[in-house]
Amino acid sequence: QMQLVESGGGVVQPGRSLRLSCAASEFSFRSHTMHWVRQAPGKGLEWVALISFDEDTKYFADSVKGRFTISRDNSKNTLYLQMDSLRAEDTAVYYCATQTHFYYYMDVWGKGTTVTVSS
Amino acid sequence: EVVMTQSPATLSVSPGERATLSCRASQSVSTNLAWYQQKPGQAPRLLIYAASTRATGIPDRFSGDGSGTDFTLTISSLQSQDFAVYYCQQYSNWPPITFGQGTRLEIK
Repeated sequence: QMQLVESGGGVVQPGRSLRLSCAASEFSFRSHTMHWVRQAPGKGLEWVALISFDEDTKYFADSVKGRFTISRDNSKNTLYLQMDSLRAEDTAVYYCATQTHFYYYMDVWGKGTTVTVSS
Repeated sequence: EVVMTQSPATLSVSPGERATLSCRASQSVSTNLAWYQQKPGQAPRLLIYAASTRATGIPDRFSGDGSGTDFTLTISSLQSQDFAVYYCQQYSNWPPITFGQGTRLEIK
């Protein structure tokens, strides 16, 4: 089964940027839609964004629209989340996840990377 | 946006007993409903998709039911490793994809 490993988290000041990466272990990465889902401390899951296998389709949650960008490099089996104009409320564990099928539920998840936005 | 509401927020059940968790959608999602289990410090794990289909490797003590707006996840004969937080997620009307707020299943 595909494994996903996120990286790039850290502590960043409000208004600054951060780029998260998610490396996939299998070639089949390039066939699948990918998602970012986040979880603020002590809170539930919040879907953030998705990107289709060919990058033709991208969607974002209203809470990040216009500030976050999602992209992928299929030659490197890697997913990205560019986060600009960060706010305190973006503080969360960010998970990448994939759907290895047609429907939009997530069957493979990474372990997550922590983003803390604080001055 | 489809709002997913889970109940109860916390459920206390003894090991070996049955647990029933509920999830309600603000509009019909047909059977486009998934359930996830999350343990502390871990990523979510897919349990159920299409409202009632168990994901690969999920024990048959986990079962899902429902369609339209009302769904249940039942765990028969609870084992110690089943105590966790459970989330439902709809994938019928998106974006956005939406999750319920979670039900914490704790040992009684």
